Amino acid sequence: KAGVTQTPRYLIKTRGQQVTLSCSPISGHRSVSWYQQTPGQGLQFLFEYFSETQRNKGNFPGRFSGRQFSNSRSEMNVSTLELGDSALYLCASSRGLAGVGNEQFFGPGTRLTVL
Amino acid sequence: QKEVEQNSGPLSVPEGAIASLNCTYSDRGSQSFFWYRQYSGKSPELIMSIYSNGDKEDGRFTAQLNKASQYVSLLIRDSQPSDSATYLCAVIASKIIFGSGTRLSIRP
Repeated sequence: KAGVTQTPRYLIKTRGQQVTLSCSPISGHRSVSWYQQTPGQGLQFLFEYFSETQRNKGNFPGRFSGRQFSNSRSEMNVSTLELGDSALYLCASSRGLAGVGNEQFFGPGTRLTVL
Repeated sequence: QKEVEQNSGPLSVPEGAIASLNCTYSDRGSQSFFWYRQYSGKSPELIMSIYSNGDKEDGRFTAQLNKASQYVSLLIRDSQPSDSATYLCAVIASKIIFGSGTRLSIRP
């Protein structure tokens, strides 16, 4: 069974630009969660999507948004990039809502560098 | 007080010994607990999930949960050099919170 896939694996952008990251969950998984990982802040929850609806949201500004498609694939968008957005962005999928305790499995991540 | 706390380490354990990793949490309503292993430059990998008080064993790994004392631990028996990694504790109550991780180093 294929795991969670994320594209692209690496991105370099400049301040003020926007970026879109993509995540394909494990087959049969309907929930996709997004996380930001930095050395200083650790792994922080961004949001979770289930059945094309955002079900849970972390404490990030509105520049961070996402969506989920009918095939459960998800995209995350960051607008007006700032230097502090440089991080590893991880996507995780689960059969049901992760927020109620379903096991999550992570993709390889997208390394975003903002110059 | 952080919502999920882990000792950052590094925790150095001799090969073959038992490694003990601890995690405390502040939300008494927390119901689901997970341990992930993350190698340098890689994404987190799920090791164990635990939902009820007591011990749960899977191979060389044992997760222990004590909701009254608000801690969850991970024991690794017969530690191997390949166990050297950062171990992340995740706790779910109304939201999903990860600890900052404990770096474990297994010395030959």
